[in-house]
Amino acid sequence: DAKTTQPPSMDCAEGRAANLPCNHSTISGNEYVYWYRQIHSQGPQYIIHGLKNNETNEMASLIITEDRKSSTLILPHATLRDTAVYYCIVRVGRTGNQFYFGTGTSLTVIP
Amino acid sequence: GAVVSQHPSRVICKSGTSVKIECRSLDFQATTMFWYRQFPKQSLMLMATSNEGSKATYEQGVEKDKFLINHASLTLSTLTVTSAHPEDSSFYICSAKHGNTGELFFGEGSRLTVL
Repeated sequence: DAKTTQPPSMDCAEGRAANLPCNHSTISGNEYVYWYRQIHSQGPQYIIHGLKNNETNEMASLIITEDRKSSTLILPHATLRDTAVYYCIVRVGRTGNQFYFGTGTSLTVIP
Repeated sequence: GAVVSQHPSRVICKSGTSVKIECRSLDFQATTMFWYRQFPKQSLMLMATSNEGSKATYEQGVEKDKFLINHASLTLSTLTVTSAHPEDSSFYICSAKHGNTGELFFGEGSRLTVL
């Protein structure tokens, strides 16, 4: 079962930063936080993952609170192509097979 | 980057027939593959986990005789929907776990429509 909760939907103005929150209050010490997104009728696309330190790559930044009970995915300059459903998932280690999707956040980037 | 390919991407079949969907890891060996089902406006639901050369492990509520999974090689897993009915119409997505890194890569999905 999914161990994360996310707001069902969010809007963001094009060019602004999109901040997508995720609660994972029951996360264990060896569980990583993963973010994927799904554009309509396509397979999920990997964005970023982290354990406890903040992470950044060419797509996004991941901010994890010190107690690890929540995290925020940041898309620094949202474009229309970032409109998608964003899923936050916790996974045991980086090889765990328990990979359950929650309900996700539907992000709409507005021109 | 690593690629997972699903075939067919779309399939329409008559009620009562069986449909096979293939999932291939194109440039890496996948020790474990996963099958998900997604209904419109819903999230992905994990159906089963398959390891190469062994029987799949099904999630609670998923009928193993209805959804046959075969993982005969490190690059291929198949999902067969047997005696399909309209309620089986859905978007089926596979993912493959990289044998070395443990990263998960997802296919583009297969849309099944049962008439």
